[in-house]
Amino acid sequence: DAGITQSPRHKVTETGTPVTLRCHQTENHRYMYWYRQDPGHGLRLIHYSYGVKDTDKGEVSDGYSVSRSKTEDFLLTLESATSSQTSVYFCAIRGRGGPGGTDTQYFGPGTRLTVL
Amino acid sequence: GESVGLHLPTLSVQEGDNSIINCAYSNSASDYFIWYKQESGKGPQFIIDIRSNMDKRQGQRVTVLLNKTVKHLSLQIAATQPGDSAVYFCAERVQGAQKLVFGQGTRLTINP
Repeated sequence: DAGITQSPRHKVTETGTPVTLRCHQTENHRYMYWYRQDPGHGLRLIHYSYGVKDTDKGEVSDGYSVSRSKTEDFLLTLESATSSQTSVYFCAIRGRGGPGGTDTQYFGPGTRLTVL
Repeated sequence: GESVGLHLPTLSVQEGDNSIINCAYSNSASDYFIWYKQESGKGPQFIIDIRSNMDKRQGQRVTVLLNKTVKHLSLQIAATQPGDSAVYFCAERVQGAQKLVFGQGTRLTINP
């Protein structure tokens, strides 16, 4: 499981409230990613981080912010949740994969977020 | 568990048969490809990967084939088992990029 945990695993919240999702890794990986997964869209990148305090936007970053104050934790914040942000959120890290040591991405178990 | 796709392409095979799942990728500059398996309620699980300088790579019961001419990737699963039932999707990395682009996936169902 690449040592990735996500919390909470399930959350129901109301429109307009702030929400923070946490991703924690135990293997000192430099790169971490946040994705959302929705029917008909597959996995879409929200933000990613390439080091402490170093982050960049993905394809669906509007309405989301991230922070990485230490290597092991990558936080995703919805400043004011909307119903369109109801989704399953996955965190991933970049680690060693297949031939020649090419780095690949490994995923956490996901957080199911419902915004009412 | 969570629904990963309400209208995914589906493939049904008999237990013990071989299955082939296909993926068309979009970018001729992609140099690395990955297959993931996702069971209901779980995160995507890495299965096997291949670099663009290879045509074929084998793992345990799985083989990935890459045809760069037509930008096509396939995953072959030998002697399917009930535990192989899941959604399978491919991902590609454009050369030099730090990000992956994911396909929507195929739902594989193993019939007893």
